[in-house]
Amino acid sequence: SQKIEQNSEALNIQEGKTATLTCNYTNYSPAYLQWYRQDPGRGPVFLLLIRENEKEKRKERLKVTFDTTLKQSLFHITASQPADSATYLCALDITGAGSYQLTFGKGTKLSVIP
Amino acid sequence: DADVTQTPRNRITKTGKRIMLECSQTKGHDRMYWYRQDPGLGLRLIYYSFDVKDINKGEISDGYSVSRQAQAKFSLSLESAIPNQTALYFCATSGGGGSAYEQYFGPGTRLTVT
Repeated sequence: SQKIEQNSEALNIQEGKTATLTCNYTNYSPAYLQWYRQDPGRGPVFLLLIRENEKEKRKERLKVTFDTTLKQSLFHITASQPADSATYLCALDITGAGSYQLTFGKGTKLSVIP
Repeated sequence: DADVTQTPRNRITKTGKRIMLECSQTKGHDRMYWYRQDPGLGLRLIYYSFDVKDINKGEISDGYSVSRQAQAKFSLSLESAIPNQTALYFCATSGGGGSAYEQYFGPGTRLTVT
């Protein structure tokens, strides 16, 4: 069974709109959850980390929420730009022990259309 | 210079050959990781090392071995390459302090086994 589900393989959005990406997980109680950006042929780049006791985290145009009851994180990009087009990965510690070992979702490919 | 480097960047090899992928980092991090990425399967952890004397198997370690030669160097070996090991391989590091859980990725090695 899938451990971490990013329920859209691809998402197309108009420039200027808010993009919302979803990450769901089952059967775990992670101490934190992370979001990464990956451009084609390149390594993932860390964006944001949110801890289990945090409901929301912001960084510039990015916002992440973490609902441990729903076992879900939402990743928002406001005022999206074509340069935001990339694949976005969520990752979490499935051991639940606050370890340094991450399990990644398969990613959502975001395309921002001018 | 890049903080995490991988060599080679591209490699084509034949079935049955032994191959080594190398990773070096200048971030001073203790923890290093090897992942492979396949279309549709996402990033999967092969091995990880929390210090020079601590090496652990990840989700998909069969057919691979690793060596942590120093804090800054972590090598991945395929003793007898097979075609289904064709993939994009990434090395990553993580360190201490306030950003202990963030992982920093290298540029990747594209390996093709024919």
